[in-house]
Amino acid sequence: SAVISQKPSRDICQRGTSLTIQCQVDSQVTMMFWYRQQPGQSLTLIATANQGSEATYESGFVIDKFPISRPNLTFSTLTVSNMSPEDSSIYLCSVPGTGLYEQYFGPGTRLTVT
Amino acid sequence: GQQLNQSPQSMFIQEGEDVSMNCTSSSIFNTWLWYKQEPGEGPVLLIALYKAGELTSNGRLTAQFGITRKDSFLNISASIPSDVGIYFCAGHFGNEKLTFGTGTRLTIIP
Repeated sequence: SAVISQKPSRDICQRGTSLTIQCQVDSQVTMMFWYRQQPGQSLTLIATANQGSEATYESGFVIDKFPISRPNLTFSTLTVSNMSPEDSSIYLCSVPGTGLYEQYFGPGTRLTVT
Repeated sequence: GQQLNQSPQSMFIQEGEDVSMNCTSSSIFNTWLWYKQEPGEGPVLLIALYKAGELTSNGRLTAQFGITRKDSFLNISASIPSDVGIYFCAGHFGNEKLTFGTGTRLTIIP
């Protein structure tokens, strides 16, 4: 399976600021996915990032709030902009697995907004 | 959108006991996946199911794709302390995104 790393692993940020989360994969992948996991909750897909094109956002998530970059086939960033305490969550990136519709996840970035 | 409900929401069992949990949906799925998430980590894929009625094992874990395609089950035999974590089911249909269940939190009592 792919080895996925995320930076930072955790951060505490003040409201109104922005944080950029990095996701690095050890192999080239066409798609990368960004998820949010609010405290004690399940995973919700934010967007799908394809190299060379705009990210596709899910309902309830907008580019102004969660801009995504995908400069190459092994790297992506997610920015959480103008943060509020409601943005406190674990943010996870994932990539397609070897089996159909399987996904492998990074370790996550735990964000706390004060 | 599609929703996946997992039952039970949490379990407290003694080491050595068997565990059963399930995932149900109001819609059919073509793929069922089971993940385990430990504190401070991302979900790890345990088992993938692609065919109605399919029964697949991974060590002490066994999962089944329900005949109706609206449910899936995960069993863990002879639980050990490292089984602690949150277990998520996930389903996929057609061109839609992967939908995750609400999770079952497993606690092992020594």
